[in-house]
Amino acid sequence: EPEVTQTPSHQVTQMGQEVILRCVPISNHLYFYWYRQILGQKVEFLVSFYNNEISEKSEIFDDQFSVERPDGSNFTLKIRSTKLEDSAMYFCASRILLNTEAFFGQGTRLTVV
Amino acid sequence: AQSVTQLDSQVPVFEEAPVELRCNYSSSVSVYLFWYVQYPNQGLQLLLKYLSGSTLVKGINGFEAEFNKSQTSFHLRKPSVHISDTAEYFCAVSENNYGQNFVFGPGTRLSVLP
Repeated sequence: EPEVTQTPSHQVTQMGQEVILRCVPISNHLYFYWYRQILGQKVEFLVSFYNNEISEKSEIFDDQFSVERPDGSNFTLKIRSTKLEDSAMYFCASRILLNTEAFFGQGTRLTVV
Repeated sequence: AQSVTQLDSQVPVFEEAPVELRCNYSSSVSVYLFWYVQYPNQGLQLLLKYLSGSTLVKGINGFEAEFNKSQTSFHLRKPSVHISDTAEYFCAVSENNYGQNFVFGPGTRLSVLP
């Protein structure tokens, strides 16, 4: 069964460092998303991506964040200068069409120290 | 923009008892509705979805939900829960328009007690 894969599963980084979280969406999907979940809190929307551009982003997704689909398979989230409050579980998701469910990866736990 | 409310942050229930987890949404356009489950230290797994058609939808693990357009609700039910159902449950909504955002509710923690 096709699935969304995320790497790494856990990343520890020092405050101020850049991190790149990687996702491989399901191959024929067209819409891609990043969400985050701070420990014990709700799942928050960060950004959606379609047709090689950002289609929607939340207030959380400020200038420190960027997304890229550098090739036909990967979808990355970059945080330029990490802050302690960026520590969270980051989920990538993809869906084939708007009237379908989103498939989520297992997440990357980012710990900023 | 759409929003999702889950009024119960925690629901404790005894094993084999029935359970209902409530979800209400607001949107100015038609929506698609979903329930996801998150087991401890795991990702998000789809339980069930409403896209169109019958308002009563059945999902995995014996769960079902009913879409009520007039009450803008999509409550999740299970007639008899198991210990293994202990998890966090998230209701999510996606609007049927160009807005592709998939909005989650705050979640309900279901704790099944022996």
